[in-house]
Amino acid sequence: DIAMTQSPDSLAVSLGERATINCKSSQSVLSNSYNRDYLAWYQQKPGQPPKVLIYWASTRESGVPDRFSGSGSGTDFTLTISSLQAEDVALYYCQQYYSAPYSFGQGTKLEIK
Amino acid sequence: EVHLVQSGAEVKKPGESLKISCQGSGYNFRAHWIGWVRQMPGTGLDWVAMIFPGDSNTIYSPSFQGQVTISADKSRSTAYLQWSSLKASDTAIYYCVRLRTESLSVRSWFDPWGQGTQVTVTS
Repeated sequence: DIAMTQSPDSLAVSLGERATINCKSSQSVLSNSYNRDYLAWYQQKPGQPPKVLIYWASTRESGVPDRFSGSGSGTDFTLTISSLQAEDVALYYCQQYYSAPYSFGQGTKLEIK
Repeated sequence: EVHLVQSGAEVKKPGESLKISCQGSGYNFRAHWIGWVRQMPGTGLDWVAMIFPGDSNTIYSPSFQGQVTISADKSRSTAYLQWSSLKASDTAIYYCVRLRTESLSVRSWFDPWGQGTQVTVTS
């Protein structure tokens, strides 16, 4: 099974500043055949289901603000919010869909400083 | 627009059975894997199981194998998750999820998510 570990567990950032969340997988989630990383990022606001922000490690979902970006490959990944807005307060999860069981990171709670 | 609409909250006693549902609309239900994700109180996300409605092929997380049963009714575009004997530790929100990619491949992210079904098991 692939274990996903996020850091930090919680993060407080000032409005307009950059927020960075890291995700590490216990095995590579890169497919050499397709040259793609099977890694997604989700945002969950209080009382709501998660919604996808990023897939293939760096492809932004339609409608997601361009201040959100994903990077990394293999086992190390990063979600960056370039300029934090009040509406970005949420829990963020990474997930690998390379192999079952499809595991999530433990989540990172993002707050305003 | 693609929607997943789940059945309402349930309160059950330990040992009781339960079946919750998720109806998909706005897409070819038979052609996308659909599954369930658990979120226990104040904790993260756990993938439970998936089914491909086109051929009823299923995949279970080892952590949930034998504990739950996933099924689908193509004619109703509805997926189900059922328990034969609930435990207090089954208390959680269960989200229905669709795999984004239309194919037999299970390698796809989850989009969209249903609104969630709160299951509470208490004596």
